[in-house]
Amino acid sequence: DGGITQSPKYLFRKEGQNVTLSCEQNLNHDAMYWYRQDPGQGLRLIYYSQIVNDFQKGDIAEGYSVSREKKESFPLTVTSAQKNPTAFYLCASSQTGVSQPQHFGDGTRLSIL
Amino acid sequence: QKEVEQNSGPLSVPEGAIASLNCTYSDRVSQSFFWYRQYSGKSPELIMSIYSNGDKEDGRFTAQLNKASQYVSLLIRDSQPSDSATYLCAVNIGTVNSGYSTLTFGKGTMLLVSP
Repeated sequence: DGGITQSPKYLFRKEGQNVTLSCEQNLNHDAMYWYRQDPGQGLRLIYYSQIVNDFQKGDIAEGYSVSREKKESFPLTVTSAQKNPTAFYLCASSQTGVSQPQHFGDGTRLSIL
Repeated sequence: QKEVEQNSGPLSVPEGAIASLNCTYSDRVSQSFFWYRQYSGKSPELIMSIYSNGDKEDGRFTAQLNKASQYVSLLIRDSQPSDSATYLCAVNIGTVNSGYSTLTFGKGTMLLVSP
């Protein structure tokens, strides 16, 4: 089945630690996105990528980093510089173009230990 | 700052009624509009997309778009308790020169359908 796989489902971060969230898709989509969702809030865009080896900052990129070495994979690292990392992280993918909807993985819930 | 506004709710309707969810957006050049459903603790699921003025129907769902008023809505007919969820409105924000396009999401409207 085609889809977007995020792992792990739950992640705990210690102070001063970097953690990496995985996102893999087999939909052959060119574009991939990372969002953060806080309770009662909408989705805020962290980073996005339309092609391999290229990515753009979203609205809240500070304290995060990404890479796009393969079309299928778009991992997100939450660095120790992100002082309030507790949130629900969602990865999405789409075909490129303004008319294309985004499809989401099941998300990773990150908490501070 | 380009914005998408939704009433946070909750919108409470009895089973079998029509639920009407509304969304306004600030970017006049937006071309694509999407409705997502998000159950508590789950990820958003695409339920409707609309690109031109007027109505688009899919089963019990109807999306309505009025670009002049910068307004998009979602009607759910014969509402069921299983429709209880948060509904997110998303609008594309295109960057003409780069060809990039991203979605801006509203904060969502919580719908509660009582049996």
